[in-house]
Amino acid sequence: GAGVSQTPSNKVTEKGKYVELRCDPISGHTALYWYRQSLGQGPEFLIYFQGTGAADDSGLPNDRFFAVRPEGSVSTLKIQRTERGDSAVYLCASSLGGYTEAFFGQGTRLTVV
Amino acid sequence: AQTVTQSQPEMSVQEAETVTLSCTYDTSESDYYLFWYKQPPSRQMILVIRQEAYKQQNATENRFSVNFQKAAKSFSLKISDSQLGDAAMYFCAYRRTLTTSAGNKLTFGGGTRVLVKP
Repeated sequence: GAGVSQTPSNKVTEKGKYVELRCDPISGHTALYWYRQSLGQGPEFLIYFQGTGAADDSGLPNDRFFAVRPEGSVSTLKIQRTERGDSAVYLCASSLGGYTEAFFGQGTRLTVV
Repeated sequence: AQTVTQSQPEMSVQEAETVTLSCTYDTSESDYYLFWYKQPPSRQMILVIRQEAYKQQNATENRFSVNFQKAAKSFSLKISDSQLGDAAMYFCAYRRTLTTSAGNKLTFGGGTRVLVKP
């Protein structure tokens, strides 16, 4: 596609529910990143995929968070047993390789009530 | 671990005037990249300018320029001839060059909101 696409744009869920956030990277981009941006703060790294594999998942806060990229293109960030503290904007970025410029999507704003 | 600090939560500038945003960082590495990103209300992060640490010359992109002081670990952004469209959040970011699996992972500062007055 023309840019990184993230769906949904906004998601409201109840505490304890499971959510999935989707990221469609730019076609041909092998590297994909997830970041979390809490209100009034800068984005924080969550996980980096090179192809289908998670090359660095050191930013995932706990085992309720999981991400997959089964075919090396679309990625899904999964959050189990959501908590109010998970409320944030989740940003996805992709790049042609591991070290070239990363292009960001418009994020998914997750609100846990 | 690397840290990036932006000490100005908000800056206001008159249209056509110049504003300078501050950024300091902490790293033990000698080679790295520094970036300034713009985030408008659409939430999409847009790359404004980048600087390679091994280059002594300060980067410029049209109305945007940086003052990179490696010894002081300072990386400020100057926006000249400010326009209404420059109003946004601005984030300073750091990226390592030497890496095994970190790829293009960025470490961001807390951001500075720029307001442009007509």
